Amino acid sequence: EDQVTQSPEALRLQEGESSSLNCSYTVSGLRGLFWYRQDPGKGPEFLFTLYSAGEEKEKERLKATLTKKESFLHITAPKPEDSATYLCAVHLTSGTYKYIFGTGTRLKVLA
Amino acid sequence: EAGVVQSPRYKIIEKKQPVAFWCNPISGHNTLYWYRQNLGQGPELLIRYENEEAVDDSQLPKDRFSAERLKGVDSTLKIQPAELGDSAVYLCASSVLTSGSYNEQFFGPGTRLTVL
Repeated sequence: EDQVTQSPEALRLQEGESSSLNCSYTVSGLRGLFWYRQDPGKGPEFLFTLYSAGEEKEKERLKATLTKKESFLHITAPKPEDSATYLCAVHLTSGTYKYIFGTGTRLKVLA
Repeated sequence: EAGVVQSPRYKIIEKKQPVAFWCNPISGHNTLYWYRQNLGQGPELLIRYENEEAVDDSQLPKDRFSAERLKGVDSTLKIQPAELGDSAVYLCASSVLTSGSYNEQFFGPGTRLTVL
């Protein structure tokens, strides 16, 4: 069964304390892996797409990486405004359309 | 560029009542998605449209849910009758389907439905 698991469920960091969020997947065929940010009361906001193992993408304090089994979202020197839920999603190559989200990591950055 | 617009933002109804949600996607986006998001969970796809055609509705509970996308632009999702378990946030998203695009989706703010 295709599955996406995110860890940790919740993470509290001090401002400036770097860390990583994990998205592991067991799927039949990966077409793309996506990272989104979701603020309370809002819809997910697209951050990155990764297509193949070894690929990396960066945006400000965020860096996403991809291996054959998992993806990491590295947050360098986070600020309080980085507090949000971070969701990963996978788009699969199976015959029917499949786009599966993980349950997310709730990040809180303390000033 | 205007984002995905959804209305209403909040809806409270009693069980067995009907309810409808409306979505206006980003101009030029030919693919439209409806998701349901329960508290503490990721969004779950209900239905996907390519232009006017519903190309994936396998997760839509067809006994009570229906959707339409007339003229390939705006879309409406309806629940009739609503049940207590339908309480959730209903998200609409849109994207451009091209050969080089792997479904980068743009989401609206969602409609929070509470069924009493």
